[in-house]
Order: sequence, then C-alpha cells, then structure tokens
Amino acid sequence: QKEVEQDPGPLSVPEGAIVSLNCTYSNSAFQYFMWYRQYSRKGPELLMYTYSSGNKEDGRFTAQVDKSSKYISLFIRDSQPSDSATYLCAMRQGNSGYSTLTFGKGTMLLVSP
Amino acid sequence: DAGITQSPRHKVTETGTPVTLRCHQTENHRYMYWYRQDPGHGLRLIHYSYGVKDTDKGEVSDGYSVSRSKTEDFLLTLESATSSQTSVYFCATGTGRILTYEQYFGPGTRLTVT
Repeated sequence: QKEVEQDPGPLSVPEGAIVSLNCTYSNSAFQYFMWYRQYSRKGPELLMYTYSSGNKEDGRFTAQVDKSSKYISLFIRDSQPSDSATYLCAMRQGNSGYSTLTFGKGTMLLVSP
Repeated sequence: DAGITQSPRHKVTETGTPVTLRCHQTENHRYMYWYRQDPGHGLRLIHYSYGVKDTDKGEVSDGYSVSRSKTEDFLLTLESATSSQTSVYFCATGTGRILTYEQYFGPGTRLTVT
C-alpha cells in the first residue's frame, strides 16, 4: 500500500460547481499537509498548507485535515475553467528541509464553461 | 517560478549514454530537490541536498547521482541512461525555515531515452 493514495481522475465538472478532492494516507507520523496545483507542462505550485487537523480557508479554496481518519480534502467553491489542472496532495512528518515531501499521484480536474 | 531554471528543457538521448541535468536557482535557498514525474506514479524524490556538498538519497535514487558544489546549482547525472529513466524531471528548492513548508518547483526537463 502506498503511503498516500489519491484518485487520478479525471474529474469533470461544470463551471460554478463545488469540487471536492481527496487523499488518504497510512503514515500516522505525517503532520504537515499541502495541496499543490500543476498546470499542464508546468511545475507544481503550492496552493494551500495546513498543520495537523482542522480547516483552513483561502478565498474559494478550503483545505481540511482529519488525522483520526487519515484523510485530507481540498474544496473549491464556484469552480472556474482556470481551475482546470492537476491537484497534488503532499505531506511531511517534520517541519524542516530534512523532512521530505511525500506526494499523491494527483487528480486531474476539468472545469467546463 | 521563484528564480529556478532547468537545462536542458528537452532532451532525447540513447540508451547507455551519460546525461546531466542542471538546476540553477537565484533565491539562495538552502535545500534543493530532484523529482521525477511519471504517469501512474506521481512525483517521486530522487535525491536532495541540504547544503553545498551535502546530499542524500530519496525514494528512487538507483541509477542517479547528484552534485552540489555551489548553493545555486544542483546537478543530476544519469551515468548510463536506460529507457526506464524516460520521464519529466523537476527540480525544487526550499528555505527549510520553520513554518515555511513551500517547495518551489522549476519548469521541468522532459527526457526521452531511446
């Protein structure tokens, strides 16, 4: 079993829909959770990060962590065609550069006008 | 892209030839990373560096070596390229400061081994 599981999609939604992207993980030592967005043929860029359990909101994006279930989510409200990209979850155990990131495989999101 | 460049951006090479990919950063970040990204596998860490001349292996380091002689440059070498090393390679940098989780990624190098 991989440490981080993520459905590759693609997930197709109409513009304006609420999108839910999810990852599950098996390593209970993960404490820091991130979502990266990757446009086609580009490098990933950090979208959101959270520490431990709870919610964090930034504009149309909400990141949610449930450590008891080993489950993280990213919600996108009022989705736009410009949100079409691959979304990668990532997590780490410690908070320094020595502690490397473990990525999910990414979920491709397609938002149609 | 936080001042990260990768060269070359595209390369086609033959099996058995050596290949070196270069990552250059202008951010003075202490940490640098090399990843490969493949369909069905996502991003996987090859090697990383936590300072000049300080490197460590990642998840998929077999067949790869790295060197970092200057803060700004991190080289990835495939000593004898194989078709299984056909992939998109990303370099990333990070400050490593507490509460700074971000890794900044370069634009990627698309490598094809024939």
